[in-house]
Amino acid sequence: DQQVKQNSPSLSVQEGRISILNCDYTNSMFDYFLWYKKYPAEGPTFLISISSIKDKNEDGRFTVFLNKSAKHLSLHIVPSQPGDSAVYFCAASDNTDKLIFGTGTRLQVFP
Amino acid sequence: KAGVTQTPRYLIKTRGQQVTLSCSPISGHRSVSWYQQTPGQGLQFLFEYFSETQRNKGNFPGRFSGRQFSNSRSEMNVSTLELGDSALYLCASSQTSGNSYEQYFGPGTRLTVT
Repeated sequence: DQQVKQNSPSLSVQEGRISILNCDYTNSMFDYFLWYKKYPAEGPTFLISISSIKDKNEDGRFTVFLNKSAKHLSLHIVPSQPGDSAVYFCAASDNTDKLIFGTGTRLQVFP
Repeated sequence: KAGVTQTPRYLIKTRGQQVTLSCSPISGHRSVSWYQQTPGQGLQFLFEYFSETQRNKGNFPGRFSGRQFSNSRSEMNVSTLELGDSALYLCASSQTSGNSYEQYFGPGTRLTVT
């Protein structure tokens, strides 16, 4: 049973436009959410996170929104750049020191 | 600081064999977690070690085991390899257990089972 789901395996966005990556979860015990970015042949790198006590966290071009009632979070990248092309994983934690990852969304930003 | 290192980077094994993968965390990090990445499954949590003790375990069969040494280096062992074990195995370190939200990943070991 996939507790963290990323239903879009891929997304293609034009440079300069907004990229919106979505993530849904089923476990109401999750209290911390993260986004990781992964380039080929490299391990995932931490991007941005949000605690369940917040509904928005912003860091430069990256903003994460959390809708607890819908058990949904999204990552907005604006403006998108070609260097943002990567696989993005959302992850959740229920304070047990392990992260539950989604299956990933491959973002491609084209000129 | 040097990042998380994993050895070997690539490995080819035959069904039925066993394999040991190694992970050296960032200096000062005491928590090491292991993940398996396969196409369509994302990253699946294997186990987490902190101060040489397994603190958390995912839903993998007993063929998957690990350990952590006093210097925080960790090894993962898979016995009686199956074709389905072919995957990218990632380890991640964090400073303390209980604050492992921001984990730092190594480049992974690509295991191919033939």
